[in-house]
Formats: sequence, structure tokens, C-alpha cells
Amino acid sequence: GAVVSQHPSRVICKSGTSVKIECRSLDFQATTMFWYRQFPKQSLMLMATSNEGSKATYEQGVEKDKFLINHASLTLSTLTVTSAHPEDSSFYICSAFGLNEQFFGPGTRLTVL
Amino acid sequence: DAKTTQPTSMDCAEGRAANLPCNHSTISGNEYVYWYRQIHSQGPQYIIHGLKNNETNEMASLIITEDRKSSTLILPHATLRDTAVYYCIVRVAGASYDKVIFGPGTSLSVIP
Repeated sequence: GAVVSQHPSRVICKSGTSVKIECRSLDFQATTMFWYRQFPKQSLMLMATSNEGSKATYEQGVEKDKFLINHASLTLSTLTVTSAHPEDSSFYICSAFGLNEQFFGPGTRLTVL
Repeated sequence: DAKTTQPTSMDCAEGRAANLPCNHSTISGNEYVYWYRQIHSQGPQYIIHGLKNNETNEMASLIITEDRKSSTLILPHATLRDTAVYYCIVRVAGASYDKVIFGPGTSLSVIP
């Protein structure tokens, strides 16, 4: 089946630094990618929709200047958490739409100290 | 907001069938019922989806009521590895614009 990868799988950073997370569709082209965030014992929360070659669409309450999304190609979307703070520590999951379906990545665990 | 309601948690004995219900009373005619599951600290995994007919694959069976207002996911012989949160979602199939919105899901615990 179609595979979506994320890199890194886990990252620890200091407060105030920026962290970039990559989401790749390995064997298909993804016209649209989605970014989710999940806090412990909670469900996945959609953060934004990323379309190749255009600006991302953010869900209500998500700061676009803090969570920068770039979808530069049909196989790669990146999420940059700028000036990270401990409250940004979470599990970030991407998904990619292609082959008429949506496929999820394995997630990235971000810990901000 | 999620368009489905599911029980918060369920237990199932290992080797028995796990039946997970889902209510989706406001489902539209072009919306499918999808099931995903999430094992701890992993990304969601697709299980099965259907429109109105019952569906079966190597993982599970999906039973949809005739009025399409509810459905049941059946894991025929639950194993310990099936312990996960199961999400029932309704959405338009094949549409990139139709975002997958997750509700709280059902936390299934398979007990030895």
C-alpha cells in the first residue's frame, strides 16, 4: 500500500528554537497533505491543510506564523514550529491525499525543554 | 466537529469477536463510513470503509444498517495487538477537500 513517512520520528529541542518536520509520500504524488497534532490521551486535532504550490489553510485557533507549512513538491510537505515552547510539545502527524485516498504518517514526537 | 458518536471504551476477551458500534445519524448520501485505528504512539491505520453494503477485508468486517445511521466494526478474533483507539469517521470518498476529522474514538482493550 501507499506509504507516508515523517522525519524525524522524535526530536527534543530547547525552548525558543525552531523545529522542522518533514512529511513525504514515498510512492505516490500527494496533491494535498494535512497536519495534525495530538496531546496525550486526546484525539488528533487537524491543524492545517497543505496544497502543493499554494498557501496552507489553517484551522481556527492555529497560529499560521507559529506553525509554518511549506508544500513545495507533490511528495513533500514541511511543518516548522517556530520559537517552540514547552506547550508545543506534542505528537505531530501528517497525512497525504493521493490515489483517491488519505494515508497517514507514523508521527513525530516533539519535546520542548 | 466529528459527525459520529462512539462509546468511550470497551473491553474484549482475547480470541473473541470485538464489536465496536458507531452512530452517524446525520450522514449524507455521498458520505462513506471509514474506520481507522491508532495504536499507542503510532499514526492512524486504515481498517475498512463502506457506503451502504456490508464490507469485509482481511482485518475486519463492517456492518452498516439499512438506514445508514449506524454501523458496527467487527474484529472476528481479537488479539492483544488489536488493543488501540478505534475511530469511526464519515466523509466523502476520494475527495481531497473533505478533511478527516477525528472524534474521541473508542479505546478497545483486549484482555488475555
